[in-house]
Amino acid sequence: QVQLKESGPGLVKPSETLSLTCSVSRGSIRSDSYFWSWIRQPPGKGPEWIASIYYSGDPYYNPSLKSRVTISVDTSKNNFSLRLSSVTAADTAVYYCARQGRNYYGQSLFFDYWGQGNLVTVSS
Amino acid sequence: IVLTQSPGTLSLSPGEGATLSCRASQSVTSSFLAWYQQKPGQPPRLLIYGAFSRATGIPDRFVGSGSGTDFTLTITRLEPEDFAVYYCQQYGGSLPFTFGQGTKLEI
Repeated sequence: QVQLKESGPGLVKPSETLSLTCSVSRGSIRSDSYFWSWIRQPPGKGPEWIASIYYSGDPYYNPSLKSRVTISVDTSKNNFSLRLSSVTAADTAVYYCARQGRNYYGQSLFFDYWGQGNLVTVSS
Repeated sequence: IVLTQSPGTLSLSPGEGATLSCRASQSVTSSFLAWYQQKPGQPPRLLIYGAFSRATGIPDRFVGSGSGTDFTLTITRLEPEDFAVYYCQQYGGSLPFTFGQGTKLEI
């Protein structure tokens, strides 16, 4: 079954840019059946969806974060990435990458596989 | 769409049944609602999608139901490994996809 693994720094300074990469193994990112997503979870709180992307592009974002977020995909490396700019302490969270189903009509579905998560702390 | 889960915490014993509620601020399109289980230090695990379909490998003691704005996750005959936090999530309608705040099921 597919595996996802996040990588990136665990500590980012305020006002800087957070960058994470998700490596996908045991499955191709070039699939018609899935989107690839980032979700975060602040300590003690529920998850928050950040962004998703199809292998050919066409990203879509949480409107509350859209001005600061960029999601991209690299099919040659079978991975996808997240950049979140101008971070503050409120962006401290465990960041997960996840696979999101896509139906025949191109609609986004549920998140069926998740990485183990990468705790990112924003602090000087 | 805002999802409100109740109760916040549910205290039960192994062998008992549990009923978890998820109420949406507006109707969830096509019953595009999922339930996840999360244990400490782990990512959420998909249990139910499409309001009532069990994900691969999920025991039949997990039962999803509901439509429109009211959804329920029922766990019959609680096992020790079922004690965790449960989240509902909607993926129908306009962005963003949203999660509830969670129900903690404790012994």
